[in-house]
Amino acid sequence: DIQMTQSPSTLSASVGDRVTITCRASQSISTWLAWYQQRPGRAPKLLIYKASGLESGVPSTFSGSGFGTEFTLTIRSLQPEDFATYYCQQYDSYPWTFGQGTKVEIK
Amino acid sequence: QLQLRESGPGLVKPSETLSLICHVSGDSISGGHYCWDWIRQPPGKGLEWIGVIDHSGTTDYDASLKSRVTMSVDTSKNQFSLKLNSVTAADTAVYYCARHLFNRAANTFYPFDYWGQGTLVTVSS
Repeated sequence: DIQMTQSPSTLSASVGDRVTITCRASQSISTWLAWYQQRPGRAPKLLIYKASGLESGVPSTFSGSGFGTEFTLTIRSLQPEDFATYYCQQYDSYPWTFGQGTKVEIK
Repeated sequence: QLQLRESGPGLVKPSETLSLICHVSGDSISGGHYCWDWIRQPPGKGLEWIGVIDHSGTTDYDASLKSRVTMSVDTSKNQFSLKLNSVTAADTAVYYCARHLFNRAANTFYPFDYWGQGTLVTVSS
């Protein structure tokens, strides 16, 4: 199975900050990587597909990059609604696997 | 607008079988363009992919659950289901159904773009 490792596990930031979350895959997954946002009590929401593709309806303050085993999710200017938990997920091969999550908290 | 909705018992006794159904509206499972997944999330923890089924009933399961999982599809009712037997407290989780696109021509996938709202299943006597 492909292991996905996110860092940091928790991130404290303020409204307007730029934040970056890193995701590493245990083997190359090309660009078959997605990012999701999950607010408490809600289902995850797709933000980014194919490492850098912005899902329809997602604000352009979100961006993704990376290839192979190293990926990043950047939020250019944190908004109050962005405080949530973020997960990366590889869809290169079954079983599809998720990172352990990064919680973005209000500083 | 596509909607997925999970249904099933919220409480299951240890050693018994967890059974959930995902009702799909706004799209036809038999269309064949999508695959249909189950994902779970233990309380306070991360997301775990359980398995996938397509319109023809072809399945793929996570190896750690494979011996206990059965997924099936009922295209006439536009729904798919999950059965997990011999449950323990470790199976307590919010269970989500979701879909992802499979582009057969390019043999490529697209990640989970629609999710159900999730249903909490507690394993307890």
